Amino acid sequence: DTAVSQTPKYLVTQMGNDKSIKCEQNLGHDTMYWYKQDSKKFLKIMFSYNNKELIINETVPNRFSPKSPDKAHLNLHINSLELGDSAVYFCASSQGLDRGYGYTFGSGTRLTVV
Amino acid sequence: SQQGEEDPQALSIQEGENATMNCSYKTSINNLQWYRQNSGRGLVHLILIRSNEREKHSGRLRVTLDTSKKSSSLLITASRAADTASYFCATEAGGSYIPTFGRGTSLIVHP
Repeated sequence: DTAVSQTPKYLVTQMGNDKSIKCEQNLGHDTMYWYKQDSKKFLKIMFSYNNKELIINETVPNRFSPKSPDKAHLNLHINSLELGDSAVYFCASSQGLDRGYGYTFGSGTRLTVV
Repeated sequence: SQQGEEDPQALSIQEGENATMNCSYKTSINNLQWYRQNSGRGLVHLILIRSNEREKHSGRLRVTLDTSKKSSSLLITASRAADTASYFCATEAGGSYIPTFGRGTSLIVHP
């Protein structure tokens, strides 16, 4: 059983397009996250949702918009894609902000903007 | 700002040897976590150590935490080729409860 699943796994698109990445977790976790990993493997948090509410919104261009229809899903929509958006995007979930448990990550979506 | 920094950036050893990776951080933390990332995959949680703990074990993994030096180490004993991966430390600082990751140590274990 896949705990945190992301789709698509690969996404190649042209500059200026709009695209979405979907994420679903079947762990019953309260909190979900989006991370961006650059070519140097640096992982940076983008957003965090707790029970469908946005709680963390790091310095991310407003072309990126997360949407959480329910606490098991957190999707990422990106408008007007730019070359610099090329990266691997990871969805993750955890049992809650203050419980200190490890995070469960999806396998990533490799976005290439050409 | 980036919290954890792993050292070394890359480590190459022979199967059967021990591998030690270090992580240094800047501010006080609630806990520190170690993750493994195989090529092309997501991160897998290995161990979480809380700020009031000094050492934890899990199988062939041993993690230590020295809050006075703001550093942690991950020791993999009797390494195997399958341990080849990148290893990241992540710290949760203050009241954020959001882990901040370093850039990782790339470990290669030669059979």
